[in-house]
Amino acid sequence: LAKTTQPISMDSYEGQEVNITCSHNNIATNDYITWYQQFPSQGPRFIIQGYKTKVTNEVASLFIPADRKSSTLSLPRVSLSDTAVYYCLVGVYGGYNKLIFGAGTRLAVHP
Amino acid sequence: DAMVIQNPRYQVTQFGKPVTLSCSQTLNHNVMYWYQQKSSQAPKLLFHYYDKDFNNEADTPDNFQSRRPNTSFCFLDIRSPGLGDAAMYLCATSRQGDSNQPQHFGDGTRLSIL
Repeated sequence: LAKTTQPISMDSYEGQEVNITCSHNNIATNDYITWYQQFPSQGPRFIIQGYKTKVTNEVASLFIPADRKSSTLSLPRVSLSDTAVYYCLVGVYGGYNKLIFGAGTRLAVHP
Repeated sequence: DAMVIQNPRYQVTQFGKPVTLSCSQTLNHNVMYWYQQKSSQAPKLLFHYYDKDFNNEADTPDNFQSRRPNTSFCFLDIRSPGLGDAAMYLCATSRQGDSNQPQHFGDGTRLSIL
């Protein structure tokens, strides 16, 4: 299973764009990259998933370079409600969807 | 609409007294997972069911057991809870087992041990 490394914490202000980078140097050919968001006292919530290049949805964008050894979650114009822990995960394709959570990035958005 | 429902949200038990946590899903997903999350730590996978096939993680203590009587329900049994088992327990589901199938989490049961 590919191990992921993310910054432990980040601070931002309302209205700013936030980019959280995750490194996964030993990602396998068929692995997907998935990001989850977790608020206190709630379960993690799926944000976005990608395999290569760029993926965008109504919540975020995910940028994956050609070598796929890293990925960047981009949150446009964050608000106070985006304060949460963000987890980057790399799963095993073709087998049981075994998610190994890393420490995650604790994002604090300030007024 | 809640799709993965965990009951109760808060559970208090005594040291050594068996406790059962429950999870139900309305998604008809094949796979159900149980995670343990201690304060300020990441969720840690305990085990999962792919349909009726049980898959235990190597480092999950024997004290933890699970049952899945049907597609919709899954239970976590802690036979003799110790103080170190106080944590949030998260249930999740996914349609299939592949990594491109996002997991859907419930909001967890916070277990306290007296």
